[in-house]
Amino acid sequence: SQKIEQNSEALNIQEGKTATLTCNYTNYSPAYLQWYRQDPGRGPVFLLLIRENEKEKRKERLKVTFDTTLKQSLFHITASQPADSATYLCALDTGANNLFFGTGTRLTVIP
Amino acid sequence: GAVVSQHPSWVICKSGTSVKIECRSLDFQATTMFWYRQFPKQSLMLMATSNEGSKATYEQGVEKDKFLINHASLTLSTLTVTSAHPEDSSFYICSAKARTYEQYFGPGTRLTVT
Repeated sequence: SQKIEQNSEALNIQEGKTATLTCNYTNYSPAYLQWYRQDPGRGPVFLLLIRENEKEKRKERLKVTFDTTLKQSLFHITASQPADSATYLCALDTGANNLFFGTGTRLTVIP
Repeated sequence: GAVVSQHPSWVICKSGTSVKIECRSLDFQATTMFWYRQFPKQSLMLMATSNEGSKATYEQGVEKDKFLINHASLTLSTLTVTSAHPEDSSFYICSAKARTYEQYFGPGTRLTVT
């Protein structure tokens, strides 16, 4: 069966450290993988898109890797801040138009 | 980044009435727009996919006569919840897919049916 799993439901880290979130998938062949941030009561906010032929993408303090052999994407936030506290969602786009979402990881950055 | 707006951000209506929610891509043309529903502490559930000028494609279990979708242009899609009932109370979120494949979400609409 198809599954998209994010490593943990909740992750707590100390301010200034690097947060690493994991997204593993089975029985999908994504053409693109996207990461979103969602705050309570708000729609997801687009962060990064990485294509199947890209290994890594960066944007400011964010870094995403995509390993289609391992069927895994890692999402890193360096020098984390309390304002980074939110739920982070990975989403797969197989090219069939709609996104398939992971279960989400609730990140809390402790001052 | 690209902006998608939704209106209204929240609405309270009486059971049996209809509610229309608008979704606009403000600074880009969307090849496709999507409507999602989200229950508390759960992930987004896709309701339907719509392309400009054609009928929406609904996911299994979503009643197309209850959730009417109109995709009038490359920047506007509307979702009408007809004859709303309390069980339709939820958080509805639209998204728009850019030609470069990123999908941008609106801020969501909280619907409460009394």
